[in-house]
Amino acid sequence: KQEVTQIPAALSVPEGENLVLNCSFTDSAIYNLQWFRQDPGKGLTSLLLIQSSQREQTSGRLNASLDKSSGRSTLYIAASQPGDSATYLCAVEYGNKLVFGAGTILRVKS
Amino acid sequence: EAEVAQSPRYKITEKSQAVAFWCDPISGHATLYWYRQILGQGPELLVQFQDESVVDDSQLPKDRFSAERLKGVDSTLKIQPAELGDSAMYLCASSFTGFSGNTIYFGEGSWLTVV
Repeated sequence: KQEVTQIPAALSVPEGENLVLNCSFTDSAIYNLQWFRQDPGKGLTSLLLIQSSQREQTSGRLNASLDKSSGRSTLYIAASQPGDSATYLCAVEYGNKLVFGAGTILRVKS
Repeated sequence: EAEVAQSPRYKITEKSQAVAFWCDPISGHATLYWYRQILGQGPELLVQFQDESVVDDSQLPKDRFSAERLKGVDSTLKIQPAELGDSAMYLCASSFTGFSGNTIYFGEGSWLTVV
């Protein structure tokens, strides 16, 4: 069964801290991996997409890495800000199917 | 910026009643998805359309759920009869084609509470 697990489930950090969110997946035959942000009671916004042939993608203060062989991805957020507070979801594409993790709830304290 | 429109945003219904959700994808997007997200969990795909055709409805509880996209544009998801366990957020999303590198855009979601 294709499963996606995210650790930690919740994280609280002071403003300015660098942080890492983790995502692991059981089936390494992926097409790509995406990281999404979800604000409370809202829909999802795509942050970064990593193709299966890529190792990492960067957008501003965000950097996502992918290690297919170990079934892991990390989302690195540099110099965190209160506005980064949200739930971050990892989603793995298998064929035409997107499998989501349960997310990491991030709170950045000012 | 173009958005995926969903309505209603919030719906409270009694058990055994019928409820319907509407979605208007971004113009030109051939692929439309309905996801269900239970509080504290990630979204799970209910149904995927390519134009007006169903591509995947393997996780759709067909005894009570139905979805249609008659003209290949907007879509309706219906639940009849609603059960307590259906309480969740129903998310609609669209993309230009299927996945594989195409950005998927989500609507704001429709919250359903069944009492």
